[in-house]
Parts: sequence; C-alpha cells; structure tokens
Amino acid sequence: GQQLNQSPQSMFIQEGEDVSMNCTSSSIFNTWLWYKQEPGEGPVLLIALYKAGELTSNGRLTAQFGITRKDSFLNISASIPSDVGIYFCAGRGNNRKLIWGLGTSLAVNP
Amino acid sequence: DAMVIQNPRYQVTQFGKPVTLSCSQTLNHNVMYWYQQKSSQAPKLLFHYYDKDFNNEADTPDNFQSRRPNTSFCFLDIRSPGLGDAAMYLCATSTERGAGKETQYFGPGTRLLVL
Repeated sequence: GQQLNQSPQSMFIQEGEDVSMNCTSSSIFNTWLWYKQEPGEGPVLLIALYKAGELTSNGRLTAQFGITRKDSFLNISASIPSDVGIYFCAGRGNNRKLIWGLGTSLAVNP
Repeated sequence: DAMVIQNPRYQVTQFGKPVTLSCSQTLNHNVMYWYQQKSSQAPKLLFHYYDKDFNNEADTPDNFQSRRPNTSFCFLDIRSPGLGDAAMYLCATSTERGAGKETQYFGPGTRLLVL
C-alpha cells in the first residue's frame, strides 16, 4: 500500500541536542499527525495539523503542515532521555485511512 | 480521563485456537479501528467501523473478523491464528471533524503470541 517517505530512519543524539524529522508524500493530505510509540505501547498522539502552513507546538515539540500539503516536519528541542522512542508521521486525504511513514527511531545519550 | 482501553495487554493462544481481543472507549467516538503492527513496522489497518457500518481493507485475511455491539466496544476475532498472526494489535478511535480532518487515538495494544 501507499506509504510516506519518512526520514531519517534513525537518529542517535546527545541529550540537549535538537532533533528534526520529516515526511513527504506524493499525495495531498488534509491532516498530518505525529505520533510517538514506546516499546510495548500504542502510538501516542503528539501533534495534529489540519491546515496548510499551520505551525503547532506542544511543549518542546513543534510541527508544521507543509504549504504544498505534501509534507510535514517535526522538531524536538533540547532533547531529554525520555524522548527515546519511534516517531511516526501519518497523513490523511479524503478517506478515513491514515497513510503511515515507516518511523524514525530516536535514541538519546544522557 | 477519556481513553481507549484494550484487554488483555498480553494474550497467548495456540495455533488454530480462536482468540478474541477487546477494545472499549470512553471518548464516545463514532469510528473505531483495528490495526496490526509487527516489529519495526508501521501499523497496518485491518478494518474499521463508522458507527455500525463495517469497512474491511481489501488485503485483510478472512481469518480476521470484527464485532461492534455498541458505540463503546469493539472486538477483534481471529478464527484460526497462525504463527504469522503473532503481532501487536492496536485499537483506535476517531470522530469526524469534517472535510477530511480527523485525529485517531490509540489504545495501549494487545500483544498476541501464537504457540
């Protein structure tokens, strides 16, 4: 099935560093969602974006809905050890089905 | 707190023995989803209910069935589990915001082991 191009696939950073990841699509989306998943748990919604150009923050997290409606990025500032996990982007067009990225695995060295 | 609840968190079954996974929600959302997630992969949609309307994905095996007796509960039935069905099963809910704008909220998942 269709998938989003999410990059990078993995990141290993030092505590305190900023992190940036992004997703691109060949299709236009009406919604971009960013989730974090920890081992053995379900995805937890971090940020939801509904409008092209929208920039939304949630604490140290900031995400933007690309103006072309085909991309989105997520930034994490001043990373801490509990930021460790897999971050997924997901986009939605005119049906109810979410299209998922393959995830960015984040490791933070204290 | 409003939430999506999945029971059990871990389920062990035998090859070919029917198993049922449960999901309940206190969000009063009209859409409920079942996903299968294997290690290091994104969640894969199996099917969803829009109210009582069942929507199956084209590539979901017949071995997987679902029931939604009311708004709050949804069940995933695996009629004859195979070794390849061992995975995390995720339930999610959403409510339409109009014009394709929707946010899905996930439960903690049920890890299924098939022996």
